[in-house]
Amino acid sequence: ETGVTQTPRHLVMGMTNKKSLKCEQHLGHNAMYWYKQSAKKPLELMFVYSLEERVENNSVPSRFSPECPNSSHLFLHLHTLQPEDSALYLCASSHPQGAKTSGANVLTFGAGSRLTVL
Amino acid sequence: AQSVTQPDIHITVSEGASLELRCNYSYGATPYLFWYVQSPGQGLQLLLKYFSGDTLVQGIKGFEAEFKRSQSSFNLRKPSVHWSDAAEYFCAVGGMTGTASKLTFGTGTRLQVTL
Repeated sequence: ETGVTQTPRHLVMGMTNKKSLKCEQHLGHNAMYWYKQSAKKPLELMFVYSLEERVENNSVPSRFSPECPNSSHLFLHLHTLQPEDSALYLCASSHPQGAKTSGANVLTFGAGSRLTVL
Repeated sequence: AQSVTQPDIHITVSEGASLELRCNYSYGATPYLFWYVQSPGQGLQLLLKYFSGDTLVQGIKGFEAEFKRSQSSFNLRKPSVHWSDAAEYFCAVGGMTGTASKLTFGTGTRLQVTL
């Protein structure tokens, strides 16, 4: 299997549940990302991992907890979410490069996990 | 801080007609610019990118985009739209965070194609 794979594709959870989203990439990339896509809003960057180290955390509430155990896998652990957290969560990966050119890296996205919080 | 504006939320065109989707960016240096497309229930697929050189870039599915520095624009065009082009289109500007890239996206333009 190639590309970026996200599971589950759909998830419904109550506000007291604990669940996790999984992302796996088979592209040999070593930077991975979580984006949140809500209706009528720009995609919001949540977390970035480069070489398994978190390099960005965009003021995301602590009820979202990322984990990157290796360069191929990325998780988003969810607990005590709110209804406004319902959204499409997109995972992406890319090659990191030197500081002068890393802005030019192409991100490859998964199909997303559609989360509904009741 | 970098930002992207897509002024058109929704556009409807007839099949076979030409298309232009607008994108304006704000970035302090030479921008890296991207267009992605998202079909319903899918993730984002790269259409094309501009890094440097020729300001007219060709992408997949017959799309092209032109970088105009003086107008801070990177508009997407297609001479003849097909019904399968109905989707949401996102413009993005590339930046850096540590040793990794990051993309800042516009709000997207939803394209509807009438037969």
